[in-house]
Amino acid sequence: KNQVEQSPQSLIILEGKNCTLQCNYTVSPFSNLRWYKQDTGRGPVSLTIMTFSENTKSNGRYTATLDADTKQSSLHITASQLSDSASYICVVSPRQAGTALIFGKGTTLSVSS
Amino acid sequence: NAGVTQTPKFQVLKTGQSMTLQCAQDMNHNSMYWYRQDPGMGLRLIYYSASEGTTDKGEVPNGYNVSRLNKREFSLRLESAAPSQTSVYFCASSAGETYGYTFGSGTRLTVV
Repeated sequence: KNQVEQSPQSLIILEGKNCTLQCNYTVSPFSNLRWYKQDTGRGPVSLTIMTFSENTKSNGRYTATLDADTKQSSLHITASQLSDSASYICVVSPRQAGTALIFGKGTTLSVSS
Repeated sequence: NAGVTQTPKFQVLKTGQSMTLQCAQDMNHNSMYWYRQDPGMGLRLIYYSASEGTTDKGEVPNGYNVSRLNKREFSLRLESAAPSQTSVYFCASSAGETYGYTFGSGTRLTVV
């Protein structure tokens, strides 16, 4: 069964610190892996999209990595800010045409001052 | 601002009532989607429309119908609301399967 598992479920860090969120998936084959940020009460916003052949993709202080061999991805946030407090969702797109995206349950990040 | 607009933002229904959730995008995207988000679960696809004039069922279509009115608009209808349909509903659009999705801000629906 195609699944996307994220860890940790929640995380609290101090402002200015770095953190790394994990995503393990069983989807195979897949065409791309995405990371979204969802603020409370808002819709998800795309951070990065990586194809199966890419290893890393950056968007400002956000850097996503992908290891297709181990079926793992991570999202690294550098120098965290209060505005980074949100849910971060890992999404995998199966390669089979017409197959829906598979969403992880998300990691809730709280950045405190 | 360009994006996906959903209405209403909040709605309370009684069991058995019907309603339509509206969604419009102004990015000229071909594909549009309806998702529901429940606590402790990932977003689940209800219906999608790969292009104007086509609609297909997603993972959880029971109890819902959709209409792709034109390229901009994609509505979701609940004919007879049930408490199990209490959820946050998101509409999204994209230029295609390999492109990122743009999500609306959501409709929080409560069925009592």
